[in-house]
Amino acid sequence: SAVISQKPSRDICQRGTSLTIQCQVDSQVTMMFWYRQQPGQSLTLIATANQGSEATYESGFVIDKFPISRPNLTFSTLTVSNMSPEDSSIYLCSVPSPFVWGQGQETQYFGPGTRLLVL
Amino acid sequence: AQRVTQPEKLLSVFKGAPVELKCNYSYSGSPELFWYVQYSRQRLQLLLRHISRESIKGFTADLNKGETSFHLKKPFAQEEDSAMYYCALSNTMDTGRRALTFGSGTRLQVQP
Repeated sequence: SAVISQKPSRDICQRGTSLTIQCQVDSQVTMMFWYRQQPGQSLTLIATANQGSEATYESGFVIDKFPISRPNLTFSTLTVSNMSPEDSSIYLCSVPSPFVWGQGQETQYFGPGTRLLVL
Repeated sequence: AQRVTQPEKLLSVFKGAPVELKCNYSYSGSPELFWYVQYSRQRLQLLLRHISRESIKGFTADLNKGETSFHLKKPFAQEEDSAMYYCALSNTMDTGRRALTFGSGTRLQVQP
């Protein structure tokens, strides 16, 4: 299984500021996913970060608000820009596990999450 | 669009009682379903996947395509099973990404 770390583990930020969250994986992966888990809710996919190309954003999420970098195959950052209290969430990165084509055994490993509180 | 529904936010049982956590899905392709678990102060982790037809920590889940369900079951609950459980569906038609759609989660409380 992959070892995934995130920094920071938690932060308290002021409205209007930005925070960059880092995700580091101990092995090379082509895709990394960023999820958001708002208080009392489930995980929602924000975007898929691919090395060497633009991130793919899900409906309701835009690059200006959540810019993503993917400089190499083991690292990605997600920035939460111009924050408001509604951005208070846990932000998680995940990576796919190795899978066998056609056998559907792929799953994902998750980082520990970054707990963000916006005042 | 795919959707995963977990109708119960909280399920409370006594130790030794049977447990069934419900999950229903909506998906036009061939579904691949998973159960994830998050214990207190731990990260989200895979519990089991339907394709493996495995039993993990006494839990099993059978995919019922007719009822579009993937309920998680355990015959005798243990206190250490108390956690948040998420049902998830993989987007198999998007072979390049295979992102997961999660249900809203069910908190299982096993009382002594």
